Order: sequence, then structure tokens, then C-alpha cells
Amino acid sequence: DVKVTQSSRYLVKRTGEKVFLECVQDMDHENMFWYRQDPGLGLRLIYFSYDVKMKEKGDIPEGYSVSREKKERFSLILESASTNQTSMYLCASSALSGDNEQFFGPGTRLTVL
Amino acid sequence: GQSLEQPSEVTAVEGAIVQINCTYQTSGFYGLSWYQQHDGGAPTFLSYNALDGLEETGRFSSFLSRSDSYGYLLLQELQMKDSASYFCAVRSGSSASKIIFGSGTRLSIRP
Repeated sequence: DVKVTQSSRYLVKRTGEKVFLECVQDMDHENMFWYRQDPGLGLRLIYFSYDVKMKEKGDIPEGYSVSREKKERFSLILESASTNQTSMYLCASSALSGDNEQFFGPGTRLTVL
Repeated sequence: GQSLEQPSEVTAVEGAIVQINCTYQTSGFYGLSWYQQHDGGAPTFLSYNALDGLEETGRFSSFLSRSDSYGYLLLQELQMKDSASYFCAVRSGSSASKIIFGSGTRLSIRP
């Protein structure tokens, strides 16, 4: 059974803290993505990666960075968390070819106080 | 810029048919996908159209017109379990790996 896992379901951090969100997939997918989901705004793309050590900015990269040192792992980093980064964070992966189906992790509900 | 437009809410009756439209504006378009998300759950893949025309998968069908930058998801024989949010998503960008989503359509089914 294909699987995308995220390090935490719920996370509470304080303003200014450095936050790491980890995502691991076991499908040998080339592409990995980080989205945030807020009510009424859908899923907004933060960053994506199409290969190890390769990354591209999405629509809302400000305040975030990413790391992909291994094919199966894609990390999202909030360098200095702020209250407006309180959100649901979803990781996804997909193969390079085919129907481009994305498989999503369960999400991390991050609250920044 | 890139954008996707879809209705925010749709209401339908159990057993009926409903169509959710999506218009998009993007560069380097490669295909249109649809996802379903139940409250508290993660999005799950429904369909992908790379070429013009209709794709049918059981009760769900998806249509794409590349010349009109338009697509729709058609749900037939609606069931209560179809109550969920539906998102269209486009595959685009120079690397053909970028996938961006619309803001979603909340479908409510009435008995």
C-alpha cells in the first residue's frame, strides 16, 4: 500500500521558533510537494522538488525553505515561525510520468502562538 | 500569473447529477486533475485529463477543453458519501512537475 507519512499530526510552536516538518514517501516518486491549506483558499503550493537536491518555489514560498537530501524525504522549514503560518500543511508525492496522481500525507496541523 | 476558478459551493439532491466547472489560466499547461477531500481527510485523486475530451470512471467523469482553458467534473447518481470538497488542479511549469490547485468546491448532498 502506497504511503506518504508526515512527522506530526499536530504541532504547537511559539513565534520566532524554527520549525521542521518532515515528509517521507515509500513509492520511489521523483516529485514531492508542500502545500498549506486554509479555509476558502484551497491548497496553496509552497515549494516542490522534482529530484534530489532540486527545488522550485511555488506560489507562496516567503517565510519557508525546503530540503531534499534523499529521494524519499522532503522537509519544510519555517526559519522563524509567525502566527500567520498557523495552518494545515500537506505533503504530497507523484511520479514523473503517467497520470500525475498525487498521493497526500495525513497533514500536520501547525499552530503558532 | 496562474489561476484556477471554480464555484465555492454546490448543492444537489441524492440520486441527481451535478457538474463542477473549472477554468484555468496558466503557462505550460500539461493536464487537469480532480481531487476529492472529505472533512478531516487528505485529498484523494479522482481523474486526470491531458487531452481534450471526456474521461469516465464509474459514476465520475471529467472533461477537458484545452482551447477554452476549461474543464468539469461530472458526478452521477449522487450518494450522500459524495458530500465533500472537490478541487481542480493543473500541471504546469517549465519542469512539468508543478501542480497548483483551485480553491475548491464544497458539494452538499440533500436527501
